[in-house]
Amino acid sequence: GQQVMQIPQYQHVQEGEDFTTYCNSSTTLSNIQWYKQRPGGHPVFLIQLVKSGEVKKQKRLTFQFGEAKKNSSLHITATQTTDVGTYFCAGRQTGANNLFFGTGTRLTVIP
Amino acid sequence: NAGVTQTPKFRILKIGQSMTLQCAQDMNHNYMYWYRQDPGMGLKLIYYSVGAGITDKGEVPNGYNVSRSTTEDFPLRLELAAPSQTSVYFCASSYLSGGGTDTQYFGPGTRLTVL
Repeated sequence: GQQVMQIPQYQHVQEGEDFTTYCNSSTTLSNIQWYKQRPGGHPVFLIQLVKSGEVKKQKRLTFQFGEAKKNSSLHITATQTTDVGTYFCAGRQTGANNLFFGTGTRLTVIP
Repeated sequence: NAGVTQTPKFRILKIGQSMTLQCAQDMNHNYMYWYRQDPGMGLKLIYYSVGAGITDKGEVPNGYNVSRSTTEDFPLRLELAAPSQTSVYFCASSYLSGGGTDTQYFGPGTRLTVL
């Protein structure tokens, strides 16, 4: 079955440092989505990537979809305490009705 | 719009008891999902529905049942609760069509403890 792995599982950074989480799928994806879950909260949609090699930016966040459409990354520049939370990627196989969520990366930002 | 609502917020069950977790959405979404999230872990899909009257199993369906009699409601039934079902349960909905972004909107979650 499809598996979506994320690394690292945990990341502690000083405020102002950069952060990157990586997502790898065992199968080719039709699209990939990223979600953020604040501590005690629910996942909130951030972005969707569809095209091979696609790069999208949201302020300090940069999202990439790999050329083979099997991996993705989220990079945060100059982290702030508001970036704290767990970041999940979620991939969809071509023709599938559901997403497979990655294992998540929990980000802690030390002020 | 209220979005996706879930009740109850918290519940403690004894082993062997049954309960129904309620989920409703007012966005006219065709797809609805139930996930469970164990402490410090990711989301596991329990069941999903592509429209009223249609449901399908996800990764971890054992011990659960669902129904989708209306577009708005997607209750999750736990029969014979077990400690392994202690988790946070999230309901989500999305509008899946031929193109565009099928964002999943999540409810606030139900925290269930089985003792």
